[in-house]
Amino acid sequence: EAQVTQNPRYLITVTGKKLTVTCSQNMNHEYMSWYRQDPGLGLRQIYYSMNVEVTDKGDVPEGYKVSRKEKRNFPLILESPSPNQTSLYFCASSDGSYSNQPQHFGDGTRLSIL
Amino acid sequence: GNSVTQMEGPVTLSEEAFLTINCTYTATGYPSLFWYVQYPGEGLQLLLKATKADDKGSNKGFEATYRKETTSFHLEKGSVQVSDSAVYFCALISGGYNKLIFGAGTRLAVHP
Repeated sequence: EAQVTQNPRYLITVTGKKLTVTCSQNMNHEYMSWYRQDPGLGLRQIYYSMNVEVTDKGDVPEGYKVSRKEKRNFPLILESPSPNQTSLYFCASSDGSYSNQPQHFGDGTRLSIL
Repeated sequence: GNSVTQMEGPVTLSEEAFLTINCTYTATGYPSLFWYVQYPGEGLQLLLKATKADDKGSNKGFEATYRKETTSFHLEKGSVQVSDSAVYFCALISGGYNKLIFGAGTRLAVHP
């Protein structure tokens, strides 16, 4: 089954404690990205990756890092989390960079930073 | 810059009622337009899309027409069901690279 898998689904942690949210897709997609969803703002892109070792900032990259060492994985790293990063996070993937290709989303990771 | 504006929710309807969720956009060039749906506890699923002016996207009884003259992409369904209760997001991509620009989302609640 084609899917995007995120872990963990829920996490409560404290300010400053490094955390990583993993994302893995099994569709051999080149393009992967991270979004955060906040009430009244919809989803906003954090980082994206066009392919292995190719990443770039989205609209709200501050406080986040990513890496793309393998095609299937695209982890999101919060080196020193702060309360304003409390949000619902989604990973997405698609085949290539063409704008008419559908994006597949994971089920989301709800982070609470205390 | 590119942006999407959609009607605020929540929208509350009775089963079999007609649904319209308004969406307008601002974009450079010729964007592709999308509606995504988010069921409780799940990720977003593509509901329908349109890639050029006057295209009509349709799926599961939902429809939306790409109107360039009014920069709109309103979502409609003739008869909603309880199972349609979800959050609906209008979105666009402009300029490639698959970066989706989302509206704020509209929550739909359908009651029996």
